[in-house]
Amino acid sequence: SQTIHQWPATLVQPVGSPLSLECTVEGTSNPNLYWYRQAAGRGLQLLFYSVGIGQISSEVPQNLSASRPQDRQFILSSKKLLLSDSGFYLCAWSVHRDQPQHFGDGTRLSIL
Amino acid sequence: GEDVEQSLFLSVREGDSSVINCTYTDSSSTYLYWYKQEPGAGLQLLTYIFSNMDMKQDQRLTVLLNKKDKHLSLRIADTQTGDSAIYFCAEPAADYSGGGADGLTFGKGTHLIIQP
Repeated sequence: SQTIHQWPATLVQPVGSPLSLECTVEGTSNPNLYWYRQAAGRGLQLLFYSVGIGQISSEVPQNLSASRPQDRQFILSSKKLLLSDSGFYLCAWSVHRDQPQHFGDGTRLSIL
Repeated sequence: GEDVEQSLFLSVREGDSSVINCTYTDSSSTYLYWYKQEPGAGLQLLTYIFSNMDMKQDQRLTVLLNKKDKHLSLRIADTQTGDSAIYFCAEPAADYSGGGADGLTFGKGTHLIIQP
């Protein structure tokens, strides 16, 4: 069966520090991969998606970037975190764009 | 889809049925989804319905789709304390006939509160 892992589960970082959140999927090949952010009291906002290695599409201009160095690995990064980057970050995968998305357990990021 | 709307809160008594409603905007959506989020956790796919269906039932869950009104509902029969969570309605963010994988557009979520 397929599983998705995100780490770390929680992270506290100072303003201006770098960020690297990792997501890996097991049990499937060439998945579509997604990064979402959930701000407190709000729904989810799509940040990035990827249909293959090295292929990244960004949905909103922001302080973050994403990379897909391997087929089942998706990384969310920042060179310098802002206070507004705080939130709950969720990684998801799907077999195909028309298929349901399955989410990881999320990373809660707090910026001080 | 651009806007998915849901009520923010729903309070029901344990044992009653819960009905969570959602309106969406993209009539070309192929699938519509319901996700459940428990406190501090990720989103769990609860159920989904294909756009050519009017109803889907899965144990205590019933999904109703009214395409004419772009209205989706989730009914939970015999609501239990373990059903307490935030429920998100979601639709594909773009018309897939155009290609790409644009993710899902989510509503803000309905907090289901269970009264003893």
